[in-house]
Amino acid sequence: AQSVSQHNHHVILSEAASLELGCNYSYGGTVNLFWYVQYPGQHLQLLLKYFSGDPLVKGIKGFEAEFIKSKFSFNLRKPSVQWSDTAEYFCAVNRTGNQFYFGTGTSLTVIP
Amino acid sequence: SQTIHQWPATLVQPVGSPLSLECTVEGTSNPNLYWYRQAAGRGLQLLFYSVGIGQISSEVPQNLSASRPQDRQFILSSKKLLLSDSGFYLCAWRDRVRLGYTFGSGTRLTVV
Repeated sequence: AQSVSQHNHHVILSEAASLELGCNYSYGGTVNLFWYVQYPGQHLQLLLKYFSGDPLVKGIKGFEAEFIKSKFSFNLRKPSVQWSDTAEYFCAVNRTGNQFYFGTGTSLTVIP
Repeated sequence: SQTIHQWPATLVQPVGSPLSLECTVEGTSNPNLYWYRQAAGRGLQLLFYSVGIGQISSEVPQNLSASRPQDRQFILSSKKLLLSDSGFYLCAWRDRVRLGYTFGSGTRLTVV
């Protein structure tokens, strides 16, 4: 079955720590990959996306993600997190058509 | 700019009662519209999508229905709620330029 896996359900970090959130998907062929973020009380927002080209993608607020095709992974990273990064992060995969598949989300809590 | 409105933010309803969640989009015409649900511990699940007025596609069999009476209005309904309908419901529209989603702020539905 097609799926998107986010292995870290809840991550707690201190400010300035480095972040890496895992995302793996099980589709073959060409995919588009996304990371969404939902800050408390706000809408889901697009953090970054990968369609093609350079597998290292840079997004807003200092986030980046690396697409490793051989590992079916699209992990999200940030060298130094801030308290304001506390949010829920969703990985998503899109193939042809309108259907998106989302992971279960990772709740990140950054302690000042 | 495009905005999406979804209400109510929270809702507590008894089993067997009806449901109506409304979503409206501004600043765009003929959007693709979506209803997603996030049940506890699970990923975002696509419930319905619509490519135009009166056009509804259902992704999973369930106790819910959707309607699109106007171009920028998408309604999620139920005649009789079940306990299993509890969850977090998100309306979204698809951005054809960025190929990502813009989500509403969501509705937390608790069926008691």
